[in-house]
Amino acid sequence: QQQVKQSPQSLIVQKGGISIINCAYENTAFDYFPWYQQFPGKGPALLIAIRPDVSEKKEGRFTISFNKSAKQFSLHIMDSQPGDSATYFCAASIRDYGQNFVFGPGTRLSVLP
Amino acid sequence: EAGVTQSPTHLIKTRGQQATLRCSPISGHTSVYWYQQALGLGLQFLLWYDEGEERNRGNFPPRFSGRQFPNYSSELNVNALELEDSALYLCASSSSYSNQPQHFGDGTRLSIL
Repeated sequence: QQQVKQSPQSLIVQKGGISIINCAYENTAFDYFPWYQQFPGKGPALLIAIRPDVSEKKEGRFTISFNKSAKQFSLHIMDSQPGDSATYFCAASIRDYGQNFVFGPGTRLSVLP
Repeated sequence: EAGVTQSPTHLIKTRGQQATLRCSPISGHTSVYWYQQALGLGLQFLLWYDEGEERNRGNFPPRFSGRQFPNYSSELNVNALELEDSALYLCASSSSYSNQPQHFGDGTRLSIL
């Protein structure tokens, strides 16, 4: 029940295309959903995050869509660029002092020039 | 603002030895988290420290341990190293408020020969 599922495992997109990564969870106690971007040799960096009281959050070319009833959330990267090529992790945490983040297994995105 | 810093960058050990990894959190952050990221895999939660206390630990054997110092820096100790311990060890920090994002360092690459 603590698991966060993420798909696809890898994704290849042409420059200018839309990249879509999906995550799903079971534990309805999760109430904070961040996305992290990780380049090779670097630690994950916070990209964008959403709370379940909103259905969508947009920051530049990155958008999170959240479907509370389906317990799913997704990351959309518009106008994908080769510089976006990285591994993306979704995560979820529970609103308590535990701050236990559960991470998805990651999606390796390759944007072709 | 300085980010999370980890040392050393790389560490090479042999089976049975002990390894010590260090982490300095972002100034003002009191929580420190440790994760293991095996090659090509996701982030596995190891330990969470806050205000000098161990608050939670993941599903790892007791030979993985650590501590947090009064200045909120932390160290991770791994005893009786095994080949399977080869991984990138990531440290993250956050404020102690609920559901604050975790900010990661670039990790320590531990290689067991």
